[in-house]
Amino acid sequence: AQTVTQSQPEMSVQEAETVTLSCTYDTSESDYYLFWYKQPPSRQMILVIRQEAYKQQNATENRFSVNFQKAAKSFSLKISDSQLGDAAMYFCAYRSARSSGAGSYQLTFGKGTKLSVIP
Amino acid sequence: DSGVTQTPKHLITATGQRVTLRCSPRSGDLSVYWYQQSLDQGLQFLIQYYNGEERAKGNILERFSAQQFPDLHSELNLSSLELGDSALYFCASSVDGQHSPLHFGNGTRLTVT
Repeated sequence: AQTVTQSQPEMSVQEAETVTLSCTYDTSESDYYLFWYKQPPSRQMILVIRQEAYKQQNATENRFSVNFQKAAKSFSLKISDSQLGDAAMYFCAYRSARSSGAGSYQLTFGKGTKLSVIP
Repeated sequence: DSGVTQTPKHLITATGQRVTLRCSPRSGDLSVYWYQQSLDQGLQFLIQYYNGEERAKGNILERFSAQQFPDLHSELNLSSLELGDSALYFCASSVDGQHSPLHFGNGTRLTVT
């Protein structure tokens, strides 16, 4: 079974600075997707960024970018120019690109990193 | 706003009781997923439906059941509730149930006293 590990339960960053959140995963598969989700105090799970394992190029979405190291099974999230609205729980998630059984799409989540932004 | 609607937002009930959580997926999405978020277990996949049929089961207890109706809304039924069932229950939807991204609702906070 796949596992996702986020080793930093909490992190903080100064407003306008850059922060990197770590994520490692364990899988025997070669084809999969990786995600970062943000959960603000409003509780909603918001998709921040997505990476396909077959793509060598790291995904970027505005101020958010990833460092995907497939051999090391590492998938870190970099937030540039941090804003107060970035304060939230961030979850790393894994999904196989091949269906399991009847064809499913199961996200396996890490435990999350709580990010605080200091004004 | 993700377009996924969950009701109620909060639910407080007693041990041994039964509750029903409701989810309306985004317009056009055929697949619905249920997840449980608790402090000790994190986010756990419970069950997935696609166009009315069960697609996959995760860590769902036998006391829990779900279904997806012809209009594609879904309900998660939790019975014989225990204190440990207190959690945030998320519904998510996606277009095809395989490759398209999941969009999550705001969750239902269940408190069992």
